[in-house]
Amino acid sequence: NAGVMQNPRHLVRRRGQEARLRCSPMKGHSHVYWYRQLPEEGLKFMVYLQKENIIDESGMPKERFSAEFPKEGPSILRIQQVVRGDSAAYFCASSPSHGRQPQHFGDGTRLSIL
Amino acid sequence: GENVEQHPSTLSVQEGDSAVIKCTYSDSASNYFPWYKQELGKGPQLIIDIRSNVGEKKDQRIAVTLNKTAKHFSLHITETQPEDSAVYFCAATYGYGGSQGNLIFGKGTKLSVKP
Repeated sequence: NAGVMQNPRHLVRRRGQEARLRCSPMKGHSHVYWYRQLPEEGLKFMVYLQKENIIDESGMPKERFSAEFPKEGPSILRIQQVVRGDSAAYFCASSPSHGRQPQHFGDGTRLSIL
Repeated sequence: GENVEQHPSTLSVQEGDSAVIKCTYSDSASNYFPWYKQELGKGPQLIIDIRSNVGEKKDQRIAVTLNKTAKHFSLHITETQPEDSAVYFCAATYGYGGSQGNLIFGKGTKLSVKP
């Protein structure tokens, strides 16, 4: 089953450390979306990437957060100098082409900040 | 920008009864409306979707209706079963050819089906 793969599933970091979350899209999909989910909340869009390009990062905080989707390898969401408020579940979704639906989600990375 | 409201936040039904979840959206340009089911510890799983050129869509026990004039859409689950218990999310976006395509989600409905 070549679904969207995210790792790690759980990540624990201390305040001030860096968190790197990885997402491999479904086979044949070249577009990746990252969403954040706080407890008891819906998912909030963060960033939309195509291979080697950021298409829309309007939902991503300007400070400490960055994302990339290199030509080879998974998409990476990077959070520098993590704070307690970064604790959340981070989900990645993929789609086959620009703006095309539906999006298929991975099982997420649950980030906990001590 | 788009805003999606979802009601109710919790819903409890007896096994075999029907469940209805409603969503409203604000941006009349939105043209794609998916519904996702999320089980504990898992990612959202697409269960059904509808595009703005269609008023209703069915897939076995699940149906979605769309009223573009009123800007609301609903999920209907008939003959509910305990395994339908989960959190359900509606979402809206510009669909094909849109400049973004990112989904705007409602806050979710926790459905409990009592045996």
